[in-house]
Amino acid sequence: QVQLKESGPGLVQPSQTLSLTCTVSGFSLTSYNVHWVRQPPGKGLEWMGRMRYNGDTSYNSALKSRLSISRDTSKNQVFLKMNSLQTDDTGTYYCTRDWTHWGQGTLVTVSS
Amino acid sequence: DIRMTQSPASLSASLGETVNIECLASEDIYSDLAWYQQKPGKSPQLLIYNANSLQNGVPSRFSGSGSGTQYSLKINSLQSEDVATYFCQQYNNYLMYTFGAGTKLELK
Repeated sequence: QVQLKESGPGLVQPSQTLSLTCTVSGFSLTSYNVHWVRQPPGKGLEWMGRMRYNGDTSYNSALKSRLSISRDTSKNQVFLKMNSLQTDDTGTYYCTRDWTHWGQGTLVTVSS
Repeated sequence: DIRMTQSPASLSASLGETVNIECLASEDIYSDLAWYQQKPGKSPQLLIYNANSLQNGVPSRFSGSGSGTQYSLKINSLQSEDVATYFCQQYNNYLMYTFGAGTKLELK
């Protein structure tokens, strides 16, 4: 059974760095791509970036300077790090396997 | 970047009615288009991919059509469980995926 679960701090102070983990089960990270998508409260979806099955990464051009995606295949985890957080980075962050399977999302609030 | 213009932003329809949602791409996306349904407090769920292919397990009252820059999602015989927000997404530019702003569907 394919599952993805996001985890992270919940609350981040402005200018600090966000670190999120997507822990997967039921499939191999070396066979499928994992994307990160975020959604501000009450708004639409924004693609953030992708970890390809072969380890390559791609990033949203608007976030590229602040964003890093990595993985640990032995732990079945994909990581997102984004620095210089501001209040408009508040939202729910999702990981998804090739758009067909999604995590439940984790709410990140940027506030002092 | 490819811009996706989705319309209408909100829609109110009666049970049993047919609903259409449109998505216009800023350039030809060669049917590399998906539709998602998102219910309040839930993750998006894939409904349609490749513009007109129904994802496994999705009811057949959902259908997609279109080509080039113009695409649509059709819901036949609207059910109460279809109340949700719907998003289109292009993946023709696989280095920069983009979504429409969403259509909020409510019952009249």
